[in-house]
Amino acid sequence: NAGVTQTPKFQVLKTGQSMTLQCAQDMNHEYMSWYRQDPGMGLRLIHYSVGAGITDQGEVPNGYNVSRSTTEDFPLRLLSAAPSQTSVYFCASSLGTDSYNEQFFGPGTRLTVL
Amino acid sequence: DAKTTQPTSMDCAEGRAANLPCNHSTISGNEYVYWYRQIHSQGPQYIIHGLKNNETNEMASLIITEDRKSSTLILPHATLRDTAVYYCIVSAPRGNTGKLIFGQGTTLQVKP
Repeated sequence: NAGVTQTPKFQVLKTGQSMTLQCAQDMNHEYMSWYRQDPGMGLRLIHYSVGAGITDQGEVPNGYNVSRSTTEDFPLRLLSAAPSQTSVYFCASSLGTDSYNEQFFGPGTRLTVL
Repeated sequence: DAKTTQPTSMDCAEGRAANLPCNHSTISGNEYVYWYRQIHSQGPQYIIHGLKNNETNEMASLIITEDRKSSTLILPHATLRDTAVYYCIVSAPRGNTGKLIFGQGTTLQVKP
């Protein structure tokens, strides 16, 4: 199993540009989520999904959209990038139900918005 | 979620046991204790979790006090590769829909 994969690894955007961060898992996990981590801080939940077709907001959802059309993929869209969205983005997945909190994380996407 | 308190940093000699404490005095009856670690620039890695009994897996042991107000993560034979930030998190396994609250954690430095 490849586990949780994220692309790209690095990205530089200009203010106002849009882009999609890709996340995929091959473990047939029901639950997937996106976190951001700012320098010297803990991770904060952006959006999550408990299954295909179901998404919900986390702690810091503004400026981001998600969709979950398949079990495997959970892309994160930045609608109009702002410097405040400069961060490291981690995607995570878990089996779900009683195992929501046992999450597997991807390697991260390092995003800089100029 | 209940809050946790961890020391900011700790050192450990290579080959010795690393004991990382965590206080969670306001933990609720249905909340578990989870431990994750984050090696520099990588995604967090799940280590272990428990409710009230001591737990052990191939990575670590988790000791939870009888009153559940504190716990200790034990890495029995620390190696240089165990240098990381260790996060103690308390959460219900189901009702919180996977929202993990990562605090500042403990930076463990394993020294040769």
